[in-house]
Parts: sequence; structure tokens; C-alpha cells
Amino acid sequence: EAQVTQNPRYLITVTGKKLTVTCSQNMNHEYMSWYRQDPGLGLRQIYYSMNVEVTDKGDVPEGYKVSRKEKRNFPLILESPSPNQTSLYFCASSLSAGGLGYEQYFGPGTRLTVT
Amino acid sequence: AQKITQTQPGMFVQEKEAVTLDCTYDTSDQSYGLFWYKQPSSGEMIFLIYQGSYDEQNATEGRYSLNFQKARKSANLVISASQLGDSAMYFCAMREGGSLVNTGTASKLTFGTGTRLQVTL
Repeated sequence: EAQVTQNPRYLITVTGKKLTVTCSQNMNHEYMSWYRQDPGLGLRQIYYSMNVEVTDKGDVPEGYKVSRKEKRNFPLILESPSPNQTSLYFCASSLSAGGLGYEQYFGPGTRLTVT
Repeated sequence: AQKITQTQPGMFVQEKEAVTLDCTYDTSDQSYGLFWYKQPSSGEMIFLIYQGSYDEQNATEGRYSLNFQKARKSANLVISASQLGDSAMYFCAMREGGSLVNTGTASKLTFGTGTRLQVTL
């Protein structure tokens, strides 16, 4: 089954404790992206990757890191989480960076709480 | 200015009735794509429908249709014959054509703030 998976689905952590949210897709997609969703703000892009070893900042990259060493994986790293990073996080992938009509497939979401 | 505006925070519709969810957008690109996603209470994002800026006909997918008015920069979602399972958050999103040099930015989806639809008996 074609899908984007994220782990963990739920995470409660404390300020400053490094964490990684994994994202994996099995569709051989080139493009992957991370979004965060906050009430009243919709989804905002954190980072994206056009292909292996190619990553770039989105609209709200502060406090996050990413890497793309393999095509299928795009982990999101919070080196020192803070309470304002409490949010619902989505990983998404798309066949290609080009092509306006390429649908983005979303993972199930990771609900992160930082206390 | 907001690139995607959804002015209806919440909407109610009776089962079997049609409902229109509003979306206006702002872009100076000639080439762009418009998407609607559904987010049920379980949280996942479900793709519903896509409309390209050069498409002459309004997109339709089953009970979903997109009322695309390019001159007004609106892309309203119409759900016909509403069902209880349609109760969810609905997001309008846009992908702009951007520069051929920076297709990474062009691939970004910009989302509106969403409309929560509640279907009642």
C-alpha cells in the first residue's frame, strides 16, 4: 500500500530534550516536506527536500533540522524543543518537485507536546 | 496579504443538502494549482480535488466539485448531497508556478486556515 508513515504518532517531552520524528514513504517520491499545523493558522511549511541530499527552509524553519540521506526517509529533528513547538506535525511527499498538479500525500501526523 | 483566505471558520449543513465552502487566493503567477483537503477528527489529511489555473472546466470528483472563478480568484468547494461522514475540517491550498529555477519553492503548498463543516440530521 502506497503510504507515508510517521513515528511516533504522539509524543510528550520536556524542554531541551532532543527528539527525532521519522518520516518514510514507499512511493519513490522525489519531493518531501514537513508542515506544522496550529489552530487558526492552517498548515505551515517547515522544511522541504527536492531529492536526496537537497533540503531547504520553508516558512517556519527556526528550531528544526532535517536530513535526506535516502530517498524514502526525511526525519525532522528538534535539537532543543521548546513549548512553542507544541503542534501537530505532518510529513508529505510528492512524485516530483515540478508539476503543479502533483498531489502531496500526507502522513498520519505526529502530535507533539513540549512541557 | 494572505495567499489563501477561507472566511468561514465554521459551517453547518443538513444531511443531503449541498454546501459551498469558500476560498479566495492571491497570486501574481499565471500558472498555479489549487487543492482541497479534508481533515476528519482522526487528523489525517485527505486529498479531495485539484484545479489547475489553465483548466477551462471546473474540476469534479464524485460529490465534490470546484467552482473556479479565475477573474475573482476564487476556488470554492461544493459538496453535493452532504453525508454525516463529511463532517470535518476542510482546507484550501495553493501551489504557485514560481520560478523554473526554484521549483522547490514552487512545490510548496500554502494553506488557508480551514473551515469546519458540521453535517446535521
